[in-house]
Amino acid sequence: AQSVSQHNHHVILSEAASLELGCNYSYGGTVNLFWYVQYPGQHLQLLLKYFSGDPLVKGIKGFEAEFIKSKFSFNLRKPSVQWSDTAEYFCASLLRGTYKYIFGTGTRLKVLA
Amino acid sequence: KAGVTQTPRYLIKTRGQQVTLSCSPISGHRSVSWYQQTPGQGLQFLFEYFSETQRNKGNFPGRFSGRQFSNSRSEMNVSTLELGDSALYLCASSPGGGMTQETQYFGPGTRLLVL
Repeated sequence: AQSVSQHNHHVILSEAASLELGCNYSYGGTVNLFWYVQYPGQHLQLLLKYFSGDPLVKGIKGFEAEFIKSKFSFNLRKPSVQWSDTAEYFCASLLRGTYKYIFGTGTRLKVLA
Repeated sequence: KAGVTQTPRYLIKTRGQQVTLSCSPISGHRSVSWYQQTPGQGLQFLFEYFSETQRNKGNFPGRFSGRQFSNSRSEMNVSTLELGDSALYLCASSPGGGMTQETQYFGPGTRLLVL
């Protein structure tokens, strides 16, 4: 069965630290991959997405993610976090043709000012 | 374009009651998906509708049902509520035409509390 794993449930960083959040998906077929962010009190917003082509994807607010097919991974990175990046981050996959998105359990990021 | 809207935003019910939640997708979007979000569980997929037809469903009991209308608006119903149904219910819409580059856009959610 298709699944998405986010191994970091809670991450605490100081401002200007670098961020990497892990995401692994289980299915070997063709998948679309996404990172969503949920700021406190706000709804889920799309950070970035990968469909095909360049495996390094750049999103909003300085975030990027790298698709590594051999590792079934799609890790999210940001070189220097800000206090405003405090939020919950969700990785998701869509197995093409299934119309069913699978989400990870989320990573709560707290950035200390 | 207006975003995905969900009503009501907050709801308190008691065990055994039933509840209906509503979702209006982004104009032009024909696919609507529903998710249950709880702390520690993340987003659990409930079902997806396209052109009034359910195309996929998750692993939820039959108490959870949905439907979609011809204008793409969707409703989700939970019958015989249980305490464990307390959650944030999210609706997401996408164009839904089966294209390879589909992206879902989420509404603010309906927070349901079952007492």
